[in-house]
Amino acid sequence: DAGITQSPRHKVTETGTPVTLRCHQTENHRYMYWYRQDPGHGLRLIHYSYGVKDTDKGEVSDGYSVSRSKTEDFLLTLESATSSQTSVYFCASRTWDNEQFFGPGTRLTVL
Amino acid sequence: AQSVTQLDSQVPVFEEAPVELRCNYSSSVSVYLFWYVQYPNQGLQLLLKYLSGSTLVESINGFEAEFNKSQTSFHLRKPSVHISDTAEYFCAVSQGHKFYFGSGTKLNVKP
Repeated sequence: DAGITQSPRHKVTETGTPVTLRCHQTENHRYMYWYRQDPGHGLRLIHYSYGVKDTDKGEVSDGYSVSRSKTEDFLLTLESATSSQTSVYFCASRTWDNEQFFGPGTRLTVL
Repeated sequence: AQSVTQLDSQVPVFEEAPVELRCNYSSSVSVYLFWYVQYPNQGLQLLLKYLSGSTLVESINGFEAEFNKSQTSFHLRKPSVHISDTAEYFCAVSQGHKFYFGSGTKLNVKP
């Protein structure tokens, strides 16, 4: 399995504060993804990256930004967290033949 | 944008019985199809995938899925389930560089 880690694994924050989640992969995969998982919605794509400094929006990108300065790291930032962003966030990287490997997830609670 | 429908949110089944988890998607244009499994408090793991070739694909633990282009379906089947198959299953479609997930089906295998 690809080595993908996420940090932090759990975070509780207050409305209006900035939050950054980190995803780190050791497989040198070009593509990386951020999803949120909510009951009844499955996984929804927030942003993805197709290379260093190359990113694009997913279906639920409002209120989120991303950055990728190195192949192995993909950061997700909530500039001003809201209660609607309480969720479990998953990062994934993708192989050349479209197989995604997922991280363990970050449970974020916005009070 | 692609949409993926998993009509059954929960499927209860007795051990050793057959099961089918249904998945339909909206467009067959240049798509790849996947089933993922998620155990509690874990990330998603790839179960099987269809990229091209034979429309019937199998996993190492007895699941199979058939790509049906005319019906835009990719249903997951297993002839005899085990208690250890209890998990949530997600159907996913990739189109271009993006992935679209269904809302998930919780399979509950009863003794």
